[in-house]
Amino acid sequence: SQQGEEDPQALSIQEGENATMNCSYKTSINNLQWYRQNSGRGLVHLILIRSNEREKHSGRLRVTLDTSKKSSSLLITASRAADTASYFCATDAGPGSSNTGKLIFGQGTTLQVKP
Amino acid sequence: DAGVIQSPRHEVTEMGQEVTLRCKPISGHNSLFWYRQTMMRGLELLIYFNNNVPIDDSGMPEDRFSAKMPNASFSTLKIQPSEPRDSAVYFCASSTGDRAAQPQHFGDGTRLSIL
Repeated sequence: SQQGEEDPQALSIQEGENATMNCSYKTSINNLQWYRQNSGRGLVHLILIRSNEREKHSGRLRVTLDTSKKSSSLLITASRAADTASYFCATDAGPGSSNTGKLIFGQGTTLQVKP
Repeated sequence: DAGVIQSPRHEVTEMGQEVTLRCKPISGHNSLFWYRQTMMRGLELLIYFNNNVPIDDSGMPEDRFSAKMPNASFSTLKIQPSEPRDSAVYFCASSTGDRAAQPQHFGDGTRLSIL
């Protein structure tokens, strides 16, 4: 089963509005990453947050992590039409795992930003 | 700098034929990952290599699938014989180190259709 699951599955907003996507996971992690995928393209890494961090910013992106709830959120502020894409969270195998190279991706949130 | 390069971008072939997908990782990256993406199953890790050695192939569907990494700059994923259910987008990604903490850089994928 998937480690990370995003919510909502689809989101449609107007340009200028904020978009919030959530990710829940099942087991302990070392870090959580967010990726974006434009239609017909590969995934692009957006941001990485470590298990000892609670919040991280990168431009218009804000990521939070709550390890007690095993959840993370991605906030895109002042959205643009170019932000239209699918967004995925990905988690590693967690502390103590020998499989340190592996990432497990959620099913993604499809974001549509209308001009 | 060139990103991860995959070829071909599109492949259409008849069932039973051998299919070979190719990947050139980013120079200096020593971890390479093969993923498959479908609407039904999302993004699945098939296999990953570290320093040209397969580390985890538990995601390889069956014996019809094989992957090689003869050197640091080239990897192949082969399906023989191919079946219609193998139709998907196959991604290659690379990263530095062998730890999941490192962001992965994806190619634009090979869209495979098996008729």
